[in-house]
Amino acid sequence: KAGVTQTPRYLIKTRGQQVTLSCSPISGHRSVSWYQQTPGQGLQFLFEYFSETQRNKGNFPGRFSGRQFSNSRSEMNVSTLELGDSALYLCASSDRPDLNEQFFGPGTRLTVL
Amino acid sequence: QKEVEQDPGPLSVPEGAIVSLNCTYSNSAFQYFMWYRQYSRKGPELLMYTYSSGNKEDGRFTAQVDKSSKYISLFIRDSQPSDSATYLCAMSVTGNTPLVFGKGTRLSVIA
Repeated sequence: KAGVTQTPRYLIKTRGQQVTLSCSPISGHRSVSWYQQTPGQGLQFLFEYFSETQRNKGNFPGRFSGRQFSNSRSEMNVSTLELGDSALYLCASSDRPDLNEQFFGPGTRLTVL
Repeated sequence: QKEVEQDPGPLSVPEGAIVSLNCTYSNSAFQYFMWYRQYSRKGPELLMYTYSSGNKEDGRFTAQVDKSSKYISLFIRDSQPSDSATYLCAMSVTGNTPLVFGKGTRLSVIA
């Protein structure tokens, strides 16, 4: 089985722009979670989708949003980018309703200039 | 106080050493405890998963949970250069609540 794939792998944007990141989970996995990883804060949970419904949401501003499609693929969007949004954005999928055993993708490295 | 505290290291050990990695936490409601390994430029991968207190062994890896002390550990026996990575602890209250991660400990095993 192919692993979790994320596109693009690297992205450079300027302040004020918006960005959309994509995640394709492992085939058959219905839960997709998104995380932001920075050296200062570590891995922080953004949101989680299960069967196209957002089940959990982390403590991030409304500029961060996401969605999941019927084929379980997911996108996250960040509007009005700020310098502090520079981070590695990780997507993880699970084939179980619980979130404790997740499989991570390689991440998208976003740099905001 | 952060919910999960983890010494960032770096930790450097010779090949063959026993490595001890630790996390402390403040939320007594945590019941599920995990260790992830993250190689450079890769996403984390699940190493160990335990529920409540006790020990779990898998090959060279042993996970320990002491809920009374709010302290979890990962031991790596006979460490290898391929074990060089960042190790992240993670925990959750129930199976349906998001994971809370430590910041990770960077480990280098020197041949």
